[in-house]
Amino acid sequence: GDSVTQMEGPVTLSEEAFLTINCTYTATGYPSLFWYVQYPGEGLQLLLKATKADDKGSNKGFEATYRKETTSFHLEKGSVQVSDSAVYFCAHPTSGTYKYIFGTGTRLKVLA
Amino acid sequence: DAEITQSPRHKITETGRQVTLACHQTWNHNNMFWYRQDLGHGLRLIHYSYGVQDTNKGEVSDGYSVSRSNTEDLPLTLESAASSQTSVYFCASSEGRGPSTDTQYFGPGTRLTVL
Repeated sequence: GDSVTQMEGPVTLSEEAFLTINCTYTATGYPSLFWYVQYPGEGLQLLLKATKADDKGSNKGFEATYRKETTSFHLEKGSVQVSDSAVYFCAHPTSGTYKYIFGTGTRLKVLA
Repeated sequence: DAEITQSPRHKITETGRQVTLACHQTWNHNNMFWYRQDLGHGLRLIHYSYGVQDTNKGEVSDGYSVSRSNTEDLPLTLESAASSQTSVYFCASSEGRGPSTDTQYFGPGTRLTVL
């Protein structure tokens, strides 16, 4: 069945470090892929998305590329800031539906 | 600006009481969803609706119900609250233009404590 696997957290980085959060998926067909961010005490916000293979989604310095060959959608940022401290969720719709499957989330802590 | 709101933001109730959590969106989206978020479980789908008068069970629907009488609102009711329903609840909506591409937008959440 459909699934999303994210790397375990927490991830702790120093400010200006390079960030990678791994996400792999199993899906029927080629659904859109999403990254959401959840800041403390808030709901999930859409960070970026990609709608087809080889698409790159980007926002606020974050990027992720839809890799069909490796069924991956890894989130990257070249230089993290303290304000990026949050929980990041990878997600995709289940085949032919509007329902999402979410990864378990990866907590990122950035130290000044 | 269009938005999605939830109320109350925090709620404390007692075991056995009926509780209703409100969700209201002003995007005129067809689809609405209720999730709960618990440590170690991520987000789990409780109920969802693809339009007025349409409701469907998600993976953890036992003890919960919803009704959709208009496009804007999908209230979530806990018929008889249990301590296991202590959680953070999120409502979401999406346009419903096409499966596999729709983007969900989330409300700020309701923290529910059942004593």
